[in-house]
Amino acid sequence: NAGVMQNPRHLVRRRGQEARLRCSPMKGHSHVYWYRQLPEEGLKFMVYLQKENIIDESGMPKERFSAEFPKEGPSILRIQQVVRGDSAAYFCASSLYRGETEAFFGQGTRLTVV
Amino acid sequence: DQQVKQNSPSLSVQEGRISILNCDYTNSMFDYFLWYKKYPAEGPTFLISISSIKDKNEDGRFTVFLNKSAKHLSLHIVSSQPGDSAVYFCAASADYNQGGKLIFGQGTELSVKP
Repeated sequence: NAGVMQNPRHLVRRRGQEARLRCSPMKGHSHVYWYRQLPEEGLKFMVYLQKENIIDESGMPKERFSAEFPKEGPSILRIQQVVRGDSAAYFCASSLYRGETEAFFGQGTRLTVV
Repeated sequence: DQQVKQNSPSLSVQEGRISILNCDYTNSMFDYFLWYKKYPAEGPTFLISISSIKDKNEDGRFTVFLNKSAKHLSLHIVSSQPGDSAVYFCAASADYNQGGKLIFGQGTELSVKP
């Protein structure tokens, strides 16, 4: 039973390009969370999605960032027109039920904007 | 506004001794607290959790204590081992049963020396 899979592990983008980060939750999990970790900081919540629904996007920047979790396929975090400040580690977590005791995290995608 | 604070960025402990990691919070609405362990280049791994209705939870070598009046929790690791060396994050949720997001502290890097 594979864990939460994120790809790519490392992504380099030039300023102004688009970044697409993918997250495949654990088998059977229908709840996905995205977190961002800036250097020397803790993880910051971005968005919580269920299949085809955004439940809580209170941590998403108002512009350039979007997330989806389609009926089929992985969850996608999309960052348009990236800037240097978007450089961070982006982690995805999944859970089986809403409010499950623990969420399982993927290994993260490290985005570097040059 | 840092609602969850880990004031010690690092902690060094001798092998076999007890490690005590501390965490303070400001939001009295938090009802669930968790500790995660993170190795470099990996995602956080769930360690132990505690509900706000309890003041202690134990799992093997790990014990979490919660002092609601002081808004403080701590993680005790007995018989610390070099393999325990990692960054430890405490996290809190205000509505966990409804899938509430986790608010993370900045992390404490534990180093267990042989």
